Amino acid sequence: QVQLVQSGTEVKKAGASLKVSCKASGYTFTNYYVHWVRRAPGQGLEWMGKINPSGGGTSYPQHFRGRVTMTRDTSTSTVYMELSSLRSEDTAIYYCARDGYCDTVSCYESVFDYWGQGTLVTVSS
Amino acid sequence: SDELTQPPSVSVSPGQTASITCSGDKLGDKSACWYQQRPGQSPILVIYQNRKRPSGIPERFFGFNSGNTATLTISGTQAMDEADYYCQAWDSSTVIFGGGTKLTVL
Repeated sequence: QVQLVQSGTEVKKAGASLKVSCKASGYTFTNYYVHWVRRAPGQGLEWMGKINPSGGGTSYPQHFRGRVTMTRDTSTSTVYMELSSLRSEDTAIYYCARDGYCDTVSCYESVFDYWGQGTLVTVSS
Repeated sequence: SDELTQPPSVSVSPGQTASITCSGDKLGDKSACWYQQRPGQSPILVIYQNRKRPSGIPERFFGFNSGNTATLTISGTQAMDEADYYCQAWDSSTVIFGGGTKLTVL
């Protein structure tokens, strides 16, 4: 069965960097993009970007560019999300999600069918 | 603009129909999805391609998207449907989420 298993809880100081992992299993790792989404306390879901595990290409929204880096290791079927210059507003639960729900007709881009369990990140000043 | 607007909260009585809207510029020209997130859990996909239900999602979940508004309708709402709901679309390789709606079943 498809699983995305994320690394554990993190506590960081403001100004530090964070690296969260997401290990995929149960499917061909290089066939599906992986996205990162976060949810801050009292807030909604926020898209952080995506990575193509096949070639390593990435896409980030404007407000995260320069601060977020997504990478992958095909030998372990793991994607990583690194966020630098942490501030208190980065306190959130971070999720990885697989892109590409498929039904009997087609596969659909930017439809997230499997999610990791979430990684709680707390940034203190 | 790349924004999706949802009402912060919707209340419904058990057994009644709940409707959650999601508004965005020309949203009907895009493909909308909906996710359910219960407290302490990861989101799950409940509607994709505007109106399709993934396997395992009850038939009481219905989606529609036209003009500037996508709507998630839950008929015969049950206590287990109480959760946060998020609409989502994408455009030019950018993924956009709505702000979320807390559905209360009381």
